[in-house]
Amino acid sequence: GDSVTQMEGPVTLSEEAFLTINCTYTATGYPSLFWYVQYPGEGLQLLLKATKADDKGSNKGFEATYRKETTSFHLEKGSVQVSDSAVYFCALRDNAGNMLTFGGGTRLMVKP
Amino acid sequence: EPEVTQTPSHQVTQMGQEVILRCVPISNHLYFYWYRQILGQKVEFLVSFYNNEISEKSEIFDDQFSVERPDGSNFTLKIRSTKLEDSAMYFCASSDGAVANEKLFFGSGTQLSVL
Repeated sequence: GDSVTQMEGPVTLSEEAFLTINCTYTATGYPSLFWYVQYPGEGLQLLLKATKADDKGSNKGFEATYRKETTSFHLEKGSVQVSDSAVYFCALRDNAGNMLTFGGGTRLMVKP
Repeated sequence: EPEVTQTPSHQVTQMGQEVILRCVPISNHLYFYWYRQILGQKVEFLVSFYNNEISEKSEIFDDQFSVERPDGSNFTLKIRSTKLEDSAMYFCASSDGAVANEKLFFGSGTQLSVL
């Protein structure tokens, strides 16, 4: 079945540091890929998405490129802020169904 | 932005008791979902619901679980006889389309603790 693997956290960075959170997936066909973010005390929010190979999703300074050849969708941000501290979830959704398959989540802590 | 509302935020129950978790999806959405996350584990799909019936469910969603849309606004998850391993954060979500790239809106979750 489909699966998503992302790096374990927590990831601790200083403000303005470069962020990468790795995500790889296993799926048949051509899934859509997502990054969701969960701020403390809130629900999961869609951060960005990509629906086909080589698409780049971007939002709030974050970006991720759908790489079919490496089955990856790594999340990057050039300069993190304290307010980016949250848990980040990589997910996929295949075109045959309407369920999301999530990775385990990566907690990001940004220190001033 | 519209949001999905879940109540209660925390629920504590004794093993063997029935619990009902409540959700108010976004008003014009047609697809409803329940996910859960056991502490330290992945967020797992439980069930999707469309047109007053279950459209997809996972292996986790056994006979102890049921979902209902009792009126035009609420979407509930019932666990008939809770087990210790049902302790988790339960997330409700809704969307206005079923295609793969539709955006899901999640609630902030109900933390269920089974003692």
